[in-house]
Amino acid sequence: AQSVTQLGSHVSVSEGALVLLRCNYSSSVPPYLFWYVQYPNQGLQLLLKYTSAATLVKGINGFEAEFKKSETSFHLTKPSAHMSDAAEYFCAVSTYDYKLSFGAGTTVTVRA
Amino acid sequence: DAGVIQSPRHEVTEMGQEVTLRCKPISGHNSLFWYRQTMMRGLELLIYFNNNVPIDDSGMPEDRFSAKMPNASFSTLKIQPSEPRDSAVYFCASSCISQFIDCPYNEQFFGPGTRLTVL
Repeated sequence: AQSVTQLGSHVSVSEGALVLLRCNYSSSVPPYLFWYVQYPNQGLQLLLKYTSAATLVKGINGFEAEFKKSETSFHLTKPSAHMSDAAEYFCAVSTYDYKLSFGAGTTVTVRA
Repeated sequence: DAGVIQSPRHEVTEMGQEVTLRCKPISGHNSLFWYRQTMMRGLELLIYFNNNVPIDDSGMPEDRFSAKMPNASFSTLKIQPSEPRDSAVYFCASSCISQFIDCPYNEQFFGPGTRLTVL
């Protein structure tokens, strides 16, 4: 079975600073990896996904993530945080069974 | 496309009552997923359908929960009888798990959720 672990339930950054959210996965077969964002009282929106093509994946809103097989990681970054990035972020993994297994989530707070 | 549509957005009911949550997936998608989100347990997959057929219901908590998908454009999640511990946000998501043209493969699109409160 596949799973993900998100390191840090809360991250606080200053506006303009680097955003780094950590995700490590466990999978016995090549995984699909995803990052979703959830704004308050809304559903989840896909930021980006890795599907075994390029290891550096670019998503929406300036986010990107790098798949590192040797480290079993898929960390999410954004060079410069904006106030609108305040939300909860979920890493997820799926394999051949198409089911998504989500991490516990990381809440991002952006300080002015 | 309007995206995944869920109704109602909010539901408040009393313990013991029947609750029915509804979902309309994105047109052309062939798979549908029901999730539950709570503070304690995070996001949990309850059940998913492929081509209207339930494939995996191992996440359904107990017999009080049931889900149906009578056609490609409609699904329900029913709780009977409801209990306070069922209070959560329930999400529906749809995706393509076949290689359709113009459909992102294995990408789940989520609805806005139904916030259920059982008193």
